[in-house]
Amino acid sequence: AQSVTQLDSHVSVSEGTPVLLRCNYSSSYSPSLFWYVQHPNKGLQLLLKYTSAATLVKGINGFEAEFKKSETSFHLTKPSAHMSDAAEYFCVVSLGGGYNKLIFGAGTRLAVHP
Amino acid sequence: GAVVSQHPSWVICKSGTSVKIECRSLDFQATTMFWYRQFPKQSLMLMATSNEGSKATYEQGVEKDKFLINHASLTLSTLTVTSAHPEDSSFYICSARDSYNEQFFGPGTRLTVL
Repeated sequence: AQSVTQLDSHVSVSEGTPVLLRCNYSSSYSPSLFWYVQHPNKGLQLLLKYTSAATLVKGINGFEAEFKKSETSFHLTKPSAHMSDAAEYFCVVSLGGGYNKLIFGAGTRLAVHP
Repeated sequence: GAVVSQHPSWVICKSGTSVKIECRSLDFQATTMFWYRQFPKQSLMLMATSNEGSKATYEQGVEKDKFLINHASLTLSTLTVTSAHPEDSSFYICSARDSYNEQFFGPGTRLTVL
């Protein structure tokens, strides 16, 4: 069965420092993986997606994630945090390898301090 | 990008009444829409898959008679919470899948049952 585990419920960084949000997945076959961001009172926004092409995926707003099959990980990174990055981030796996059912991780709340 | 709207954005109702939430794909047709539920500070849980012109597919543990889903057109799906109770209070989010198999999320509807 497919599942995702976000290893940190809260991450706090200073503005201008790197961001690392960790995600491990479990899948019986090659998965499709996504990172979504949810700002307060706003809809979910797709940051990036992995669908068996390049293992290093670049997304919007300077975020990127690397698919590591050997580690079953898909961690989200950004070199330099901005105040506007403060939000809830969800790692998501898709059943069926495409945009079928999405299974959400528990979420990681990112706080960015000046 | 594709836009999905939800109406209303928030609703307060009395216990025992029914509430209808609309999900619309504004600039594309969606044969499949999904309904999620998000409790405070928690992740999204898939409730059901709504297919245009056919019955919805509900996830295990979701009462189909409690949460009525209608997907009468390629741009509209509705979720009706029947005989609502305080424990139904939650944030309900829909998503719509386009012809490229990409999902777009609505901004969500906050339901409070008194």
